[in-house]
Amino acid sequence: DTAVSQTPKYLVTQMGNDKSIKCEQNLGHDTMYWYKQDSKKFLKIMFSYNNKELIINETVPNRFSPKSPDKAHLNLHINSLELGDSAVYFCASSQAGTGGTEAFFGQGTRLTVV
Amino acid sequence: AQSVTQLDSQVPVFEEAPVELRCNYSSSVSVYLFWYVQYPNQGLQLLLKYLSGSTLVKGINGFEAEFNKSQTSFHLRKPSVHISDTAEYFCAVNREYGNKLVFGAGTILRVKS
Repeated sequence: DTAVSQTPKYLVTQMGNDKSIKCEQNLGHDTMYWYKQDSKKFLKIMFSYNNKELIINETVPNRFSPKSPDKAHLNLHINSLELGDSAVYFCASSQAGTGGTEAFFGQGTRLTVV
Repeated sequence: AQSVTQLDSQVPVFEEAPVELRCNYSSSVSVYLFWYVQYPNQGLQLLLKYLSGSTLVKGINGFEAEFNKSQTSFHLRKPSVHISDTAEYFCAVNREYGNKLVFGAGTILRVKS
């Protein structure tokens, strides 16, 4: 059983399109995240949700809109895709509490905008 | 704000040799420290973490790391590497009661036979 699963694994799309990435975790965690890994492999947090409430929004363009229908799911919708959005997007989850809890990552979604 | 510097972007090493991957952090508050590994085309997996107590922490796959508060470092070590350790390694920090991991730029470990 995959703990944190993302779909799709690969996504190739044209500039200007709108696309969504889905994430589900079966760990019973309260907190979920989206991270972006750019072409230089640098990982940066985009959003964090705790019990469906947005708690971190790291100056991400408003073309990116996360949605958490329940605490086990955190989807990422991207409008008007741009070339610079090409990256690997990772979903993660952790138990709420102190900052010492482990984050579990999905396998990533490689988004290529052409 | 916290930041993490991984001093080496790539570390080539021969199989069965020891290796050290360096990590320095900056923070004005107490932090927790982590090392994650990313194998090709996969997500990140926790290797080990330092929360408190003994400054030497042991993780999976024979890795260990030492927390040095005075030098604000958390270097990762393995006494004898295998080909299968070839991966990218990320050092990360999170402040106490924080909910945001801040990652370093990663170090690619290439183990050669």
